[in-house]
Amino acid sequence: EPEVTQTPSHQVTQMGQEVILRCVPISNHLYFYWYRQILGQKVEFLVSFYNNEISEKSEIFDDQFSVERPDGSNFTLKIRSTKLEDSAMYFCASSAGFGYEQYFGPGTRLTVT
Amino acid sequence: GDSVTQMEGPVTLSEEAFLTINCTYTATGYPSLFWYVQYPGEGLQLLLKATKADDKGSNKGFEATYRKETTSFHLEKGSVQVSDSAVYFCALRGTNFGNEKLTFGTGTRLTIIP
Repeated sequence: EPEVTQTPSHQVTQMGQEVILRCVPISNHLYFYWYRQILGQKVEFLVSFYNNEISEKSEIFDDQFSVERPDGSNFTLKIRSTKLEDSAMYFCASSAGFGYEQYFGPGTRLTVT
Repeated sequence: GDSVTQMEGPVTLSEEAFLTINCTYTATGYPSLFWYVQYPGEGLQLLLKATKADDKGSNKGFEATYRKETTSFHLEKGSVQVSDSAVYFCALRGTNFGNEKLTFGTGTRLTIIP
C-alpha cells in the first residue's frame, strides 16, 4: 500500500539554525500539507500546497517557514532560523484531490536546543 | 473559525468495557468529520469518517455518527481491547473549495488495562 514517508525521523538542531524536513508524498497525490504537534498538544495545521503554490497557511506559518516541491517526488518544509518553540513533531500529509482522505507520514521529531 | 472540542483524557478502561469519546464541533456549512488514531511512536491514521449529516462511519469495531442537530461526532466501541490503547483525535474539514485543512481536537489518550 502506498504511504507517505518522512526523513529524518528525528532532527536535533541548535537555536538559530536552518532545518529542512523532507517528505515523499504518495506518488499520484496532488495536495500536500504540513502539520505540527507540540508535545502533549493538539495537531495544528501549518500549510497546504497545490499546483506548486501555497493554497492556505495558518498564523503559525510565518516568514521563517517555507515549503517547496523541488522535484516530482519530494515536498520540503524549511525553517530558516529555528526557535526553541519550534520543537515539535512535524507531520507531512498528502491527498489525491479536493475532498479526498489525507494520508499522514510517520512524522519528524524536531528538537531545538 | 472552525473548532473541535474533544473530551479530555486520559481515559482508562478495562478490557471489554464500552467506550465513548465525546466530540463536538463548530463550523459553517457541512464539514466532513473524522476520527484519527495515533498509536505509540507512530503517525496519524484515519480511523473513520463521515461526510454528511446522519452518516455513520465505522471501522475496526469503532463507530461514530454525524449529528448535525447536536454538532457532534462521538466515537464509540462496544468492547475495547488492550490493542486499542492510543490517542484519538477528532477532526473536521471545511467545505470551501481550496480549504482542505484539518482542524483537530486536543486528543484523548485511551489506556485499556487487561
